[in-house]
Amino acid sequence: QSALTQPRSVSGSPGQSVTIACTGTSSDVGGYDSVSWYQQYPGKAPKLMIYDVNKRPSGVPYRFSGSKSGNTASLTISGLQAEDEADYYCCSYADTYSLIFGGGTKLTVL
Amino acid sequence: VQLQESGPGVVKPSETLSLTCGVSGFPISGGYYWGWVRQPPGKGLEWIGSIYQSGNTHYNSSLRSRVTISVDTPKNQFSLKLSSMIAADTAVYYCARHLHSPDMGRTYFDYWGQGILVTVSS
Repeated sequence: QSALTQPRSVSGSPGQSVTIACTGTSSDVGGYDSVSWYQQYPGKAPKLMIYDVNKRPSGVPYRFSGSKSGNTASLTISGLQAEDEADYYCCSYADTYSLIFGGGTKLTVL
Repeated sequence: VQLQESGPGVVKPSETLSLTCGVSGFPISGGYYWGWVRQPPGKGLEWIGSIYQSGNTHYNSSLRSRVTISVDTPKNQFSLKLSSMIAADTAVYYCARHLHSPDMGRTYFDYWGQGILVTVSS
């Protein structure tokens, strides 16, 4: 079971919007409405940012949003801020009671 | 909800890793799965497996032959055993609360421990 495909890095200037894609197959991303996204700072534990494709946990800013089309899920960060610079991982439910993470994307705020 | 991993920081090759995750602020019998995720230095996240309060488990197929996860409800904690450790098992090991609903095809981790670095070295 290979990791979901994410770009290794993305970048954007403060105030801009960036989108991180997460591509899987019909056995994971495309087959279930269960994609989650995690933000991770260096040396810290991951933090849940989006679950069930497009739901935000309490306390997560509105500028974080999620979507899905076919086998590809996306995380969009609007109004980019310096504090958004971190690694981001997607995760999807997968066939047969399993789950799979993406390889991770490093977001750089220019 | 707070989770805290504990265990050795160094394990010898071929030995078995044993980690425990203590949970506070929420009963481990409260209707969630409880999972383990690891992250090799400089690399991405890998799910190891998860356990429900009943003891029902789901494991990553790539590690299933070496993994055992158990739950101790009275102590409000759960544990991981990973046998036949090799250098590639060197990683930060996280425990997390896991909303995992196979019937509905839902899964996500909402609370995480701080992680514990385990190095495989003789």
